[in-house]
Amino acid sequence: AQKVTQAQTEISVVEKEDVTLDCVYETRDTTYYLFWYKQPPSGELVFLIRRNSFDEQNEISGRYSWNFQKSTSSFNFTITASQVVDSAVYFCALSEGGGSQGNLIFGKGTKLSVKP
Amino acid sequence: DARVTQTPRHKVTEMGQEVTMRCQPILGHNTVFWYRQTMMQGLELLAYFRNRAPLDDSGMPKDRFSAEMPDATLATLKIQPSEPRDSAVYFCASGWGTHKNIQYFGAGTRLSVL
Repeated sequence: AQKVTQAQTEISVVEKEDVTLDCVYETRDTTYYLFWYKQPPSGELVFLIRRNSFDEQNEISGRYSWNFQKSTSSFNFTITASQVVDSAVYFCALSEGGGSQGNLIFGKGTKLSVKP
Repeated sequence: DARVTQTPRHKVTEMGQEVTMRCQPILGHNTVFWYRQTMMQGLELLAYFRNRAPLDDSGMPKDRFSAEMPDATLATLKIQPSEPRDSAVYFCASGWGTHKNIQYFGAGTRLSVL
């Protein structure tokens, strides 16, 4: 069965620290997509990144980077030099191929607090 | 700046009342999803539509929830009668087609049923 696990419920760091948010997924499909979304205190869900199951290259976007490892079924997210504005709940999500119609299976989220 | 629009943003109602939540998907998107977020369950899929046709509503309590897309620019989620356990944030998301496509979320409707 498909599942996304974000074992870290809450993380607190001081500004400028690096922080990694873990995501482990389960799926029997060979074709799938992984996503990260950010939910700031205002409540909306903001798309951050999408990665397909055939592309294991790491990705960097400014202070954000993502490490996808199929061997460990993980898709971890690192924020370098964290800032107060990074404080939010971050969700990892899975969308399966096969017969799936594209709905997202979300982890429970990791609440990140960045203190000045 | 295209975005998914949800109304109302907040709704407080009494148990037993009907609640209607509305969603305007991004123009051109053909898939609409309804999710519910609670502290206990996290984000759960309730229903989704493609090209206005319902594809799956297995996540919804059928006796009280209904979802429709009267036209391509409007999706609705109704609860009748509402119960306190329906208190949650309801999100609408839209996208294009299949599992690989990004879903764009609205700001959500925060529902409180007293």
